[in-house]
Amino acid sequence: AQSVTQLDSQVPVFEEAPVELRCNYSSSVSVYLFWYVQYPNQGLQLLLKYLSGSTLVKSINGFEAEFNKSQTSFHLRKPSVHISDTAEYFCAAHGSGGATNKLIFGTGTLLAVQP
Amino acid sequence: ETGVTQSPTHLIKTRGQQVTLRCSSQSGHNTVSWYQQALGQGPQFIFQYYREEENGRGNFPPRFSGLQFPNYSSELNVNALELDDSALYLCASSLVGGGGETQYFGPGTRLLVL
Repeated sequence: AQSVTQLDSQVPVFEEAPVELRCNYSSSVSVYLFWYVQYPNQGLQLLLKYLSGSTLVKSINGFEAEFNKSQTSFHLRKPSVHISDTAEYFCAAHGSGGATNKLIFGTGTLLAVQP
Repeated sequence: ETGVTQSPTHLIKTRGQQVTLRCSSQSGHNTVSWYQQALGQGPQFIFQYYREEENGRGNFPPRFSGLQFPNYSSELNVNALELDDSALYLCASSLVGGGGETQYFGPGTRLLVL
């Protein structure tokens, strides 16, 4: 079955500490991988994506994620978080078969940054 | 360049009623996908429209239907509303055929069914 798994439903962390949000995908999905962020009462914003090429991808606000084919993982990291990073983070992959580029989402990880 | 817009932002309906949600895709995009996000869950794929035709469907019953118009805007229609249809409905647009692997989302319509 096609699936994306986010292992942590909530990650509490202190401001300026490093953080890692974990994501694993099943081998039946494509290797187009995405992280989206959702602030309270808002839609999804694209944070970063892996389509091909370098396995380390970065966002403009300091997040990075590494595609690891052997471990079927796409973990999201930030070396120093801010209060404003508090949000729900969703990992997603293209589903294979059927609709072009439909997304399979994980259940989300709430990043709660504390002062 | 305008982003993806959706209307209305919020909606309250009663069980058994019908609802229509609207989406305007990002300029230059030709594909619209709809997702349902229940409270505390990740978005679930409902269906996708490409060149005014349904181009794939998730595990949703036929009472969920849609349209795509020549200007690539789209509607999601839900008939015979059930309590479990209460959710955030997200529209996403992309450019298929031009390396358009990335979907861009609108702000969503929050539907409450009483």
